Amino acid sequence: AQSVTQLGSHVSVSEGALVLLRCNYSSSVPPYLFWYVQYPNQGLQLLLKYTSAATLVKGINGFEAEFKKSETSFHLTKPSAHMSDAAEYFCAVSGGLTGGGNKLTFGTGTQLKVEL
Amino acid sequence: KAGVTQTPRYLIKTRGQQVTLSCSPISGHRSVSWYQQTPGQGLQFLFEYFSETQRNKGNFPGRFSGRQFSNSRSEMNVSTLELGDSALYLCASSKTLDTQYFGPGTRLTVL
Repeated sequence: AQSVTQLGSHVSVSEGALVLLRCNYSSSVPPYLFWYVQYPNQGLQLLLKYTSAATLVKGINGFEAEFKKSETSFHLTKPSAHMSDAAEYFCAVSGGLTGGGNKLTFGTGTQLKVEL
Repeated sequence: KAGVTQTPRYLIKTRGQQVTLSCSPISGHRSVSWYQQTPGQGLQFLFEYFSETQRNKGNFPGRFSGRQFSNSRSEMNVSTLELGDSALYLCASSKTLDTQYFGPGTRLTVL
């Protein structure tokens, strides 16, 4: 069984400040981990993914995340927030090659607000 | 390359009716998954189809069903609609296990 916990349903940062969105996972098998972004009235867009290769993963729009097995974490960061980053962010886990097919288990989401 | 398309984008139904939603995956993608998104329950996995076979199923009642055709297009059906079925239904297609591409969703409102 797999699960994801996202700490903080709402995060507010100033434009130009560091963005840190937290995600902790639980998985009985080596996980695949993902961060998705959702803008209003749209589907989900993949930001980045961890699939057991490099633990520091770089994604689109300047985002990156680090897989830390000892902490069971996969936090999303961006050095400098931009107004266009305001959206809802979802962390997700799947069983990858060890089972579960493409079933994604999502966290509850974090709404990111970027202020001037 | 065309993305995942879902039709219709918006739908209004009344309780007790049934509804069919359609999803056309990216060309060459054989896996199609469906998710329900609601404010209360968040994003929940419904089922996944791969080469016309259901490969995974979430924890939803039997009123929710799906199928996949030989061209990989998929449909999901909800029978005997309830108010709680109002949601954004998202379809995702994939070629591998490490990347899913989501469509824009179908917004279903049950009155």
